[in-house]
Amino acid sequence: NAGVTQTPKFQVLKTGQSMTLQCAQDMNHEYMSWYRQDPGMGLRLIHYSVGAGITDQGEVPNGYNVSRSTTEDFPLRLLSAAPSQTSVYFCASSQPRDRDRANYGYTFGSGTRLTVV
Amino acid sequence: AQKVTQAQTEISVVEKEDVTLDCVYETRDTTYYLFWYKQPPSGELVFLIRRNSFDEQNEISGRYSWNFQKSTSSFNFTITASQVVDSAVYFCALSEAPTGGSYIPTFGRGTSLIVHP
Repeated sequence: NAGVTQTPKFQVLKTGQSMTLQCAQDMNHEYMSWYRQDPGMGLRLIHYSVGAGITDQGEVPNGYNVSRSTTEDFPLRLLSAAPSQTSVYFCASSQPRDRDRANYGYTFGSGTRLTVV
Repeated sequence: AQKVTQAQTEISVVEKEDVTLDCVYETRDTTYYLFWYKQPPSGELVFLIRRNSFDEQNEISGRYSWNFQKSTSSFNFTITASQVVDSAVYFCALSEAPTGGSYIPTFGRGTSLIVHP
């Protein structure tokens, strides 16, 4: 099925470990972004990309790296996990050229629940 | 900078009641897009509606309706005759046009709607 695929769905890390959250979309969307969701905080933007080879920081980028070598993939790297990074992470994609279509919106993956102990 | 405020943290209603979820936004752009997303207990984010800044027509979709008022910078969401299945967290989001913005949406903190049978 077309959409945004995130892996893994669940992950437990020890403090200081590194890992990569994977995100892939098969809709040829230009824009991709990573959000984290914490109780009472809504979704906060970590990093985003407006196309292959182009990335930028969002509201809460510290402790995370991203790269966008292909249109399809937008992995999020935690270099040295900290308990403060315990959260649910969502990847989203959109096609800005479709923005005047009634159904234009951001398609989200199903999320990755990360616990750092 | 763009900002979205959902002042209602949690709303509790009894089935068949009407309920309105408030969303107030701030932007300096004249071209922008507003969204509502639903997050049911299963955790996925479901796109409900997109409205652009040039279209102030209200919209109705079944039991859902949206009231967009630029004069008050509000984009409120009403559920008529609420049902238990409407229980979810609802997010309002704003994205600005890429003249300095990037179309990456900013989300409010969400309103948790609980519909009791």
